[in-house]
Amino acid sequence: AQSVTQLDSQVPVFEEAPVELRCNYSSSVSVYLFWYVQYPNQGLQLLLKYLSGSTLVKGINGFEAEFNKSQTSFHLRKPSVHISDTAEYFCAVSRSQGNLIFGKGTKLSVKP
Amino acid sequence: DGGITQSPKYLFRKEGQNVTLSCEQNLNHDAMYWYRQDPGQGLRLIYYSQIVNDFQKGDIAEGYSVSREKKESFPLTVTSAQKNPTAFYLCASSELGQGKSGNTIYFGEGSWLTVV
Repeated sequence: AQSVTQLDSQVPVFEEAPVELRCNYSSSVSVYLFWYVQYPNQGLQLLLKYLSGSTLVKGINGFEAEFNKSQTSFHLRKPSVHISDTAEYFCAVSRSQGNLIFGKGTKLSVKP
Repeated sequence: DGGITQSPKYLFRKEGQNVTLSCEQNLNHDAMYWYRQDPGQGLRLIYYSQIVNDFQKGDIAEGYSVSREKKESFPLTVTSAQKNPTAFYLCASSELGQGKSGNTIYFGEGSWLTVV
């Protein structure tokens, strides 16, 4: 069975500092991986996704993620965060039926 | 504008009552989904539908029901059998295309259901 583990439930960071949000997955088959962002009381918005090809994936708002098959990881990074990046971030893996399995989320809190 | 519309945004119901959450999409997507979100639990799949008049149970379908009579509509009914219905409910949709996996899933703004 597939599963997704987000290793940190909360990540506090100062503005303009770099950040990494960690995600590990388990799957016996090839995977498609996603990162979504959720602002308070809103739906989810796609940041980026990995389907195949280059293991470094660039997304919106300056975020990027690296697919590491040997470590079964898909960590999200941003070199310099802004206050507006404060949100909850979800890692997800796609199932064969097309729906997603989500991790439990990481709350990123950016402080001035 | 194209998108997914959920209504109502906030809903309060008494214990033992059924309640229906609306979801409409104008993206011409074949697949639609309902997820439930609880604090610290991520999102869990309730039901999904890949074609009109057909739907499948997700991971936590007990106490919920859906219908898919039109391509653009996928309402969710939270029945009195759902033991802990207070949560944030998210509707979503996606294309199916050549392969189901890998397609981006788009989300609505969500509906808060509080049962008192």
